[in-house]
Amino acid sequence: GQQLNQSPQSMFIQEGEDVSMNCTSSSIFNTWLWYKQEPGEGPVLLIALYKAGELTSNGRLTAQFGITRKDSFLNISASIPSDVGIYFCAGPSPQGGSEKLVFGKGTKLTVNP
Amino acid sequence: DAGVTQSPTHLIKTRGQQVTLRCSPKSGHDTVSWYQQALGQGPQFIFQYYEEEERQRGNFPDRFSGHQFPNYSSELNVNALLLGDSALYLCASSTSGRAFGTQYFGPGTRLLVL
Repeated sequence: GQQLNQSPQSMFIQEGEDVSMNCTSSSIFNTWLWYKQEPGEGPVLLIALYKAGELTSNGRLTAQFGITRKDSFLNISASIPSDVGIYFCAGPSPQGGSEKLVFGKGTKLTVNP
Repeated sequence: DAGVTQSPTHLIKTRGQQVTLRCSPKSGHDTVSWYQQALGQGPQFIFQYYEEEERQRGNFPDRFSGHQFPNYSSELNVNALLLGDSALYLCASSTSGRAFGTQYFGPGTRLLVL
């Protein structure tokens, strides 16, 4: 089935550092979504991207829709302890229609105070 | 305004048993999607319900079935449980025709099959 590859798998950083993570696919996506999941919770949508080249910010978070439409990037500036969690990229399946979301395996972020 | 709620929060079953999980969508939402999230993995789409019918289905066997009620709430049923069915089951709700951009997830039901 369709796979989204996220890297890195995990990150251990100091509070105040900037974070970059990315997501790639072998297929073209028309929408890229970034979610954050904290322990005991469901994923929460952070940023949605709908156009190639689009750069969108949400507070200290910035995400970009890659020009090739096969990748996306998420950056977090000046990290704080509450940024801890697992960050997932996702998009509507190219094969399955717009209602079927495909997720990556996630990037686990740990922030040391 | 209550968000997406799921019950129960945790469940332990044995192989071969059947289980029913429940989801109430966010107020104003009429579409419910179910996902399975194994440990260390991203959520995997099981199926979606709209107007009390299954609209989309992922690569899951027929042991996984669902239902949507007139009040838009939904159930996920899994028959003949296998050890590999142990996972976090997530429900997400949205408004019709716009699932992904406006999809809200519940906290999930953690199922352990022994």
